Amino acid sequence: NFMLTQPHSVSESPGKTVTISCTRSSGSIARNYVQWYQQRPGSAPTTVIYEHNQRPSGVPDRFSGSIDSSSNSASLTISGLKTEDEADYYCQSYDSSHPWVFGGGTKLTVL
Amino acid sequence: QVQLVHSGAEVKKPGASVKVSCKASGYTFTSYYIHWVRQAPGQGLEWMGVINPSGANTIYAQKFQGRVTMTRATSTSTVYMELSSLRSEDTAVYYCARVDCSGGSCSNHFDYWGQGTLVTVSS
Repeated sequence: NFMLTQPHSVSESPGKTVTISCTRSSGSIARNYVQWYQQRPGSAPTTVIYEHNQRPSGVPDRFSGSIDSSSNSASLTISGLKTEDEADYYCQSYDSSHPWVFGGGTKLTVL
Repeated sequence: QVQLVHSGAEVKKPGASVKVSCKASGYTFTSYYIHWVRQAPGQGLEWMGVINPSGANTIYAQKFQGRVTMTRATSTSTVYMELSSLRSEDTAVYYCARVDCSGGSCSNHFDYWGQGTLVTVSS
C-alpha cells in the first residue's frame, strides 16, 4: 500500500503564487504519473494537470505541475492567483497493485 | 459533446443495495473505461473500481471487493455500479469518470466526470 499525503489547507492572496505538495509514502514518485484535480464546491472534479506536468486544453498556464524525486513528492503550483481558483485540489497516482490512489485533498483559500 | 449523465439521488436503509447508472453519450462507448469514485460528505475522493465497457472486465478496490458490482449495457451506452450491504458510512456522492483507452493503452487521468449521484443510507 502507498499513500499520497497533502496539506489540509493552504491560503494566499490574489495575484500571488501558491504551491501544494503531494508526498508519496512508498515507491518512487517518478515511476508513476501524478495527476491533479480541482473541485469547486458543489461540482464534480476536473483535471488541471496530468502526467506530472501536462495541462488539458482549456486549463490556463498559471497551473503547473512538477515532481521532486529527492522528497518523493509532486507539486501543483498556481501563479497569479484568482478568486476563482479557490477550491479543493487532489493529487492522484497509481502502481501495479493499486490502480488509482488519491491524496486527501487540499483546500485552497484565496483571500 | 461528451456527457456522462447519472441517475437520480437515492435513499436506502442499512443492509439494502443501491444501483447507480451513468449514461454516456457523444463518444465511442467502448473506447473509454469508466471508473467509479465516491466522496462522503466533507471528505475526499475514494476510488472504487473500473469497468472496461468493451469486454466488461472489472477491477475493484480491495475495500469494496465482495460488495460492489460494475456492469454495462452497450445497447444503451450505460454503466452501472451496484453496492450491497449498505451502511451509514456509504452515504456519499458517487461519480463515474472516463479514461481514454482508444489508443491501445489507457491514459492516466479522467477527462470527463459525471455530475454524481447522492446516495443516502439512513434508517
